[in-house]
Amino acid sequence: GEEVAQTPKHLVRGEGQKAKLYCAPIKGHSYVFWYQQVLKNEFKFLISFQNENVFDETGMPKERFSAKCLPNSPCSLEIQATKLEDSAVYFCASSPATGVYGYTFGSGTRLTVV
Amino acid sequence: SQQGEEDPQALSIQEGENATMNCSYKTSINNLQWYRQNSGRGLVHLILIRSNEREKHSGRLRVTLDTSKKSSSLLITASRAADTASYFCATYSPNDYKLSFGAGTTVTVRA
Repeated sequence: GEEVAQTPKHLVRGEGQKAKLYCAPIKGHSYVFWYQQVLKNEFKFLISFQNENVFDETGMPKERFSAKCLPNSPCSLEIQATKLEDSAVYFCASSPATGVYGYTFGSGTRLTVV
Repeated sequence: SQQGEEDPQALSIQEGENATMNCSYKTSINNLQWYRQNSGRGLVHLILIRSNEREKHSGRLRVTLDTSKKSSSLLITASRAADTASYFCATYSPNDYKLSFGAGTTVTVRA
């Protein structure tokens, strides 16, 4: 399809619970990016993939965050033992290449940790 | 960390007026991009300007880039209520391989 599909739209987790977010990139786009947006402004880069390989994970809090992009499956971002500060909107984006084209973003998953 | 800083943080204009917002960045770039975010939605790519370009147009949008001053501006002409949104600049730097976003400018267009 021509849109990046993110599920679920909303997710509520108790502190310490696991959260798993999904992203289906546009078919034919080799690159997938995850960003975290807190308080409607700053977009923090988390991780990127080139196909199923991690391309850049410099933004990932590695202790509790993990991500995968497996063939023929949606990409996923998992947060183990969520904390209150993980409350944010998580956006996935895809692009045919990195640094040449703009990104196409999904509508995001709003994670609320209570 | 944030690469770009945007100015102003918020802008309120009357329908039909022009809106101008600015973005400054710190390191050398391959390109600079502008995105729009409507409330509760994802980012929509508006325009990409390469480091060797100085000006680019797309419909009612005009983007300028001054690499010597490390700054860019986005002009929206003849604004409409539907232009109400937050606008973000993002830079792509060599050897960084990812877009770094500014904090955004919130534009409100009054009918």
